[in-house]
Amino acid sequence: DTGVSQDPRHKITKRGQNVTFRCDPISEHNRLYWYRQTLGQGPEFLTYFQNEAQLEKSRLLSDRFSAERPKGSFSTLEIQRTEQGDSAMYLCASSLSSGWGYTFGSGTRLTVV
Amino acid sequence: ELKVEQNPLFLSMQEGKNYTIYCNYSTTSDRLYWYRQDPGKSLESLFVLLSNGAVKQEGRLMASLDTKARLSTLHITAAVHDLSATYFCAVVISGNTPLVFGKGTRLSVIA
Repeated sequence: DTGVSQDPRHKITKRGQNVTFRCDPISEHNRLYWYRQTLGQGPEFLTYFQNEAQLEKSRLLSDRFSAERPKGSFSTLEIQRTEQGDSAMYLCASSLSSGWGYTFGSGTRLTVV
Repeated sequence: ELKVEQNPLFLSMQEGKNYTIYCNYSTTSDRLYWYRQDPGKSLESLFVLLSNGAVKQEGRLMASLDTKARLSTLHITAAVHDLSATYFCAVVISGNTPLVFGKGTRLSVIA
């Protein structure tokens, strides 16, 4: 297992389009987290899953954002009707609920033009 | 709501000098993490501090935790250019709940 994988690495989209990102966590990790990071800021929590259950959503996660983890393995984050303010790095992390280590992926950089 | 504050936010250091980055947090926490991030890259884990008085060192970096003061420090000894990056602290309230990050300290080491 080579760590947390995110796809795509970069995405440029026109305002108003929908985009979907994928995250493949470390296979034995049952928790998966999504964060958003804008330039010059720390990562901000969006949502997280334990197995297939979505346990918490941040107030940052507007109704244009939806995340799924259908079989408790990979996860997708969809943004509908993108806005320029959605331009950011979207980071995925995974962990064991019984452990204390978080492993981050390389991120997906979204640019909305 | 847990808040994490780092200072300074920007730090320009001369090579060979020592300096300390501070991380304060607002509520009782289970543990504290330090990460490094290079421009355009993801987060690299540096330290996990699990208990009061914990001290960890790796190379020129040393991190410590005072849970009573809700304060962690990241001390840089004899800085070198390769340490130039942004350093984040992050805190967990309990269990494996989501990390809450500070805004980061952008460190630039100059000759």
